[in-house]
Amino acid sequence: ETGVTQTPRHLVMGMTNKKSLKCEQHLGHNAMYWYKQSAKKPLELMFVYNFKEQTENNSVPSRFSPECPNSSHLFLHLHTLQPEDSALYLCASSLGASGRSSYNEQFFGPGTRLTVL
Amino acid sequence: QKEVEQNSGPLSVPEGAIASLNCTYSDRGSQSFFWYRQYSGKSPELIMFIYSNGDKEDGRFTAQLNKASQYVSLLIRDSQPSDSATYLCAVQGGKLIFGQGTELSVKP
Repeated sequence: ETGVTQTPRHLVMGMTNKKSLKCEQHLGHNAMYWYKQSAKKPLELMFVYNFKEQTENNSVPSRFSPECPNSSHLFLHLHTLQPEDSALYLCASSLGASGRSSYNEQFFGPGTRLTVL
Repeated sequence: QKEVEQNSGPLSVPEGAIASLNCTYSDRGSQSFFWYRQYSGKSPELIMFIYSNGDKEDGRFTAQLNKASQYVSLLIRDSQPSDSATYLCAVQGGKLIFGQGTELSVKP
């Protein structure tokens, strides 16, 4: 596997379900990100991890819970979601997440298309 | 005012023409500027980045940055139908913020 991979690619879940999204990067990067992309809206940054530490939570509801066990893996745990949470969830990675510009060239995974019924 | 603003389009150009995509941003302290291409149903792909005022060329792509005017653009020369996609402008000040994207359609 190369680049950034995400599983599952498609997920349909009910509002009472609990599921997890997985992201893995094979680029030797140290920063990982979760984004939400809804139709006709800009990419919304959800969480940032730098060297396994969460450095940003962009006012995301607690029904989304991230986990970063190491620099290569990132999870997004989902529970009691709402239909409006249906979207494409994208994972990205970059060399770092510091102030240096070159650290922030982000590479995206293919995304998980989530549908909440 | 949106932090990063793009015309949503669609922008339609004939094959072989120059496509010009524009982006304005509100944070004067922004330091890094990126252009991503996103094909329908796919994830964004980084195609250009620029950090300094002026032009940066890479093949058929030229990024232009004017920090005084808070304006960044992407020119695509000799546009091809395969360039048809949504182009996302991303600007980094404290954090990376994406614009809504401009849909480009290149007609054969």
